[in-house]
Amino acid sequence: SQKIEQNSEALNIQEGKTATLTCNYTNYSPAYLQWYRQDPGRGPVFLLLIRENEKEKRKERLKVTFDTTLKQSLFHITASQPADSATYLCALGPRGGTDKLIFGTGTRLQVFP
Amino acid sequence: NAGVTQTPKFRILKIGQSMTLQCTQDMNHNYMYWYRQDPGMGLKLIYYSVGAGITDKGEVPNGYNVSRSTTEDFPLRLELAAPSQTSVYFCASSYANPRGSDQPQHFGDGTRLSIL
Repeated sequence: SQKIEQNSEALNIQEGKTATLTCNYTNYSPAYLQWYRQDPGRGPVFLLLIRENEKEKRKERLKVTFDTTLKQSLFHITASQPADSATYLCALGPRGGTDKLIFGTGTRLQVFP
Repeated sequence: NAGVTQTPKFRILKIGQSMTLQCTQDMNHNYMYWYRQDPGMGLKLIYYSVGAGITDKGEVPNGYNVSRSTTEDFPLRLELAAPSQTSVYFCASSYANPRGSDQPQHFGDGTRLSIL
């Protein structure tokens, strides 16, 4: 069955540094991949979408890459701030006419001043 | 703009009781979803709907039922609550893109349910 893995341990970085989160998957060929942010006690909030024919997408301080050969997506936050502290979820998007995403367990990011 | 609204925010049930988790969205989205999120686990899809009157099972549907009589509302029903159903439940909606799937999902803030 398909498997999606994100770093289960928290990522702790200093303010101003670049945070890099990893999403690996196996036994699946997603048509696209989405990244969400989740704060404690809140629902996930959509951040970025990248399709299988795209290598990189950017939005302000956020950048996501998608390597279908390595079966991996990297999510970067440059010039990180304490307000970026949250859990980040990746989700694999299926082919065909449904939006039934497969979510990873998420990686908790803590940015220290 | 309210987005996706879930009620109640918290609930404690006894084993064997039943309840309905409410979800409503005001974005006129055709697609709606119910997920559960357990500690250390990813969001698991319970049921989804592609429009009023159409529902289908997700990955973990056992013990749950849904209905979709309107575009706006997608309630989730637990008939005989069991301790294994203790979880945080999220409802989400998305736009049905006629050019294909890939639309972002909009989530409510969840219902925290404990079965004792």
